[in-house]
Formats: sequence, C-alpha cells, structure tokens
Amino acid sequence: EDKVVQSPLSLVVHEGDTVTLNCSYEVTNFRSLLWYKQEKKAPTFLFMLTSSGIEKKSGRLSSILDKKELFSILNITATQTGDSAIYLCASRVRFGAGTRLTVKP
Amino acid sequence: KAGVTQTPRYLIKTRGQQVTLSCSPISGHRSVSWYQQTPGQGLQFLFEYFSETQRNKGNFPGRFSGRQFSNSRSEMNVSTLELGDSALYLCASRNRGLGDTQYFGPGTRLTVL
Repeated sequence: EDKVVQSPLSLVVHEGDTVTLNCSYEVTNFRSLLWYKQEKKAPTFLFMLTSSGIEKKSGRLSSILDKKELFSILNITATQTGDSAIYLCASRVRFGAGTRLTVKP
Repeated sequence: KAGVTQTPRYLIKTRGQQVTLSCSPISGHRSVSWYQQTPGQGLQFLFEYFSETQRNKGNFPGRFSGRQFSNSRSEMNVSTLELGDSALYLCASRNRGLGDTQYFGPGTRLTVL
C-alpha cells in the first residue's frame, strides 16, 4: 500500500528561524511529489517535484526531492507569523498527516 | 478564473440521514477528487472522477458514493450517516494534462449528531 509519512507532526518556532519539514514516500509508479499549505480550509499548492524537476524555490520557500532515498524536504527561511499553517506532502492522492507549523512573534 | 466551489459550506445532520455535497471544478478541469479530512486521520482519499467515470477509489464503505456530470460538476453522497462521518469534505480539481497538481475548494463541514 502506498505510504506518505511526514515529520515532525508539529513544530513551534520563532520569527526569523529556519525550518525543515520532512516527507518520505513509498508509492508505486511514482510520478510526482507535491507540497501544499493549509491555513484555514482549502490546501493551496506550493510545489510539484518530479524526476525532471527535483528542486524548486519560491521566495523564502524551497524544496528538494531525493528519488533515490525516497524523501523530500520543504525549507522555510526567515519564518514569519504568516507561515503558520499545516504543510501537507502528497503523491497523487496519497497525503501525509501534515506538519503543523506555529511561528511565534 | 474562478476557483473550485463547494456547496453547502456547513451542514448538520443526524445519524441515519443521508447527505449530498456538490462541487464545481475550475473551468476546463475535468478531473474531480473528493477527500475526507479529520483531525485524527488527516486527508483521506475518497474517489476521483474523470469524464463522468470513477477512475480511482479509496478505502471507504459503500455508503460513500459519487458521480460526475457532463459539465464536470460532481456530487458526493453519504447514506446512513454515522457520528464518525463528521468531517471536512474537500473537493479538488485538476487538469490531467498538466500533472498531479490539485486545486482545492473551501470544503463542506459536515456535523453528524
């Protein structure tokens, strides 16, 4: 059965800190690994990583995919209170449990 | 372009009743997936529809069913509601030609009393 596992499940940091969120996966016929951010209701898309695009960056957020070791990380530098959210990792329709990030002023 | 819309946004039902939730995808997106989100289980995949056909199904009992119409709008039905069905139900649409990126609606919060 396909599995996506995220760690840690919860993280509390202060503004300005850098955080690393982890995602490991075991899926058949792997195509892509996606990261989403969920603040109130609907998850919103952050990054999609594939074998042809294993590193993505957008502002203070960046992500890499290690297809050999079957994991991905999401980095957030210089965190802000607005980064507080649940970060979800997914491969197709299989989602991890999410990492709840709280950024304190 | 308008986003994914879901109706109703909130619903309160009692055990044994049935419920129908609706989802309108982003224009041009023909794939619609449904998810159940609870604090303990996270996001659990229910099913995916494309071109009015169910293409993929998660591990949920037969009380959970869905359908898709020719305009890509989708409905999800839950019959004989149980307390454990209380959850946020999310719908997501995607353009299959552009990969696995899904765009989520705001969800329907279902409470079963």
